[in-house]
Amino acid sequence: LAKTTQPISMDSYEGQEVNITCSHNNIATNDYITWYQQFPSQGPRFIIQGYKTKVTNEVASLFIPADRKSSTLSLPRVSLSDTAVYYCLVGDYGSSNTGKLIFGQGTTLQVKP
Amino acid sequence: KAGVTQTPRYLIKTRGQQVTLSCSPISGHRSVSWYQQTPGQGLQFLFEYFSETQRNKGNFPGRFSGRQFSNSRSEMNVSTLELGDSALYLCASRGTGLGTNIQYFGAGTRLSVL
Repeated sequence: LAKTTQPISMDSYEGQEVNITCSHNNIATNDYITWYQQFPSQGPRFIIQGYKTKVTNEVASLFIPADRKSSTLSLPRVSLSDTAVYYCLVGDYGSSNTGKLIFGQGTTLQVKP
Repeated sequence: KAGVTQTPRYLIKTRGQQVTLSCSPISGHRSVSWYQQTPGQGLQFLFEYFSETQRNKGNFPGRFSGRQFSNSRSEMNVSTLELGDSALYLCASRGTGLGTNIQYFGAGTRLSVL
């Protein structure tokens, strides 16, 4: 499974757009990129998943360049409630026998008023 | 659709005891995975069950075991508890087939070993 590198922490202010970049140089052909959000003492919550180019849903966008060696999670107009840890995961989660997720340290996003 | 349900939410045990945690997956999901989260080690994979069979296993001692029932509900058991077993235990379920490779997590069970 590809190893990921992301910033340990980031600060932002309410109303700003936040971009968190994740590096995954060894991503394999069948790997997907998935982002989770976690609040203290709660389980991770799925945010978005992509394979290539750009994916957008109601809460975030995911930008993946052509070489797929990195990806950027974009959170538009953050609020205080977006303060959380964000995890970038890479793996062949489409295969039938891969239920194992490998979490890194994640990025702790602190949104200030 | 109801999410992943874990019970109990909190547990306090003493060293040497054993504990059983329960997880009810999202309806229709047949895969259930368990994770341990501690401040020092982060989120670590314990094992995955699919159709009542263990399909993947993480690097944990044999004191950690699990099982899955025919209705996909899963239990995790930890025997001879140690202080280091204090953690948030998370369960996640996923469907199978195309486009169903996303895992959905429960709120977790907070285990404190005294």
